[in-house]
Amino acid sequence: DQQVKQNSPSLSVQEGRISILNCDYTNSMFDYFLWYKKYPAEGPTFLISISSIKDKNEDGRFTVFLNKSAKHLSLHIVPSQPGDSAVYFCAASEDYKLSFGAGTTVTVRA
Amino acid sequence: EAEVAQSPRYKITEKSQAVAFWCDPISGHATLYWYRQILGQGPELLVQFQDESVVDDSQLPKDRFSAERLKGVDSTLKIQPAELGDSAMYLCASSLALGGAYEQYFGPGTRLTVT
Repeated sequence: DQQVKQNSPSLSVQEGRISILNCDYTNSMFDYFLWYKKYPAEGPTFLISISSIKDKNEDGRFTVFLNKSAKHLSLHIVPSQPGDSAVYFCAASEDYKLSFGAGTTVTVRA
Repeated sequence: EAEVAQSPRYKITEKSQAVAFWCDPISGHATLYWYRQILGQGPELLVQFQDESVVDDSQLPKDRFSAERLKGVDSTLKIQPAELGDSAMYLCASSLALGGAYEQYFGPGTRLTVT
């Protein structure tokens, strides 16, 4: 049973505009959430995270929002750059074990 | 910058053969994870080590898969015999310590193709 879902397999955005990636989860025991970025032929790299006691965390161009009541989180990338083209995975932690979504492929158009 | 090392990067094997993957975590990281990622899906945890001890192997198909981390540093994941459905990317990750950090750092993975 998929506990973390990324319902949009792909996203295309113009350079300089905002990218918004969404993630839904079902397990209320998740206490920490992370986003990973993956380029082809490489392993996922950690991007940004948020604790379940917060509703927003910002790091440069990346902001993660958490809505616990809706069991929903989102990643905003502003402004989007060509180097942001990658697969983005949402992950959620229970007892330090991560459950991953299926990923969203972001393509930033020039 | 310290990285998780994995080898080989690519492996092609025939069905029913044995195959092994190696992982060297970031120095000082006590927790090591093996994941399997099927194309189009996210990584799924196979086994988790804290030092040399297995913390969780509930998702490891133990009839054919085995994992060890004998000295609490590097680790080997073995499949014997390999089946066609084992074709996937096998990722190794490490973190500072169980309960010490949520962030896991991944290696480049081993792409396994079973023919």
